[in-house]
Amino acid sequence: QKEVEQDPGPLSVPEGAIVSLNCTYSNSAFQYFMWYRQYSRKGPELLMYTYSSGNKEDGRFTAQVDKSSKYISLFIRDSQPSDSATYLCAMVNFGNEKLTFGTGTRLTIIP
Amino acid sequence: NAGVTQTPKFQVLKTGQSMTLQCAQDMNHNSMYWYRQDPGMGLRLIYYSASEGTTDKGEVPNGYNVSRLNKREFSLRLESAAPSQTSVYFCASSEVTVGGMRGQETQYFGPGTRLLVL
Repeated sequence: QKEVEQDPGPLSVPEGAIVSLNCTYSNSAFQYFMWYRQYSRKGPELLMYTYSSGNKEDGRFTAQVDKSSKYISLFIRDSQPSDSATYLCAMVNFGNEKLTFGTGTRLTIIP
Repeated sequence: NAGVTQTPKFQVLKTGQSMTLQCAQDMNHNSMYWYRQDPGMGLRLIYYSASEGTTDKGEVPNGYNVSRLNKREFSLRLESAAPSQTSVYFCASSEVTVGGMRGQETQYFGPGTRLLVL
């Protein structure tokens, strides 16, 4: 079993919809959680990061962490065609300073 | 600022050939990383350099060598390429945070090198 599981999709939603992207993890030593966005044939870029359980909002994006369930989510409100990309979750185990990525979910927003 | 740059963008090699992937960053970051990205596998760390003069193995180091030439540049070498090394390679850099953490959460990635080994 992988330490971080992420549904690869693809996920297609109409423009303006709310998108929910999720990752689960098995290692309770993960303490820091990130979401990266990767456009086709580009490098990943950091979208959001958070330490604690709860919600963190940045514009149309909300990152949610539930450490008790070992589950993290990224919500995108009022989705736009420019949000079409692959979204990767990532987690840091500060015990061994190891960063582990999910495999990514490919998202398409349909105009 | 160019951020993280990588050369070449695309390369085709024959089995057994060697090549060096170049990476440079202009953000004055201490830490630099090499990843490979394969379908269904996500990003996997090959080697990293926490600071100038140091390098360490990541998750998948076999078949690769690295050189931290100076603070800006971190190269990845394939001595004898194999078809299993066909992948997209990303270089990244990060800040070093206070408290001893490596600042991995603020990694900045280059545009990638697509490598095909025949």
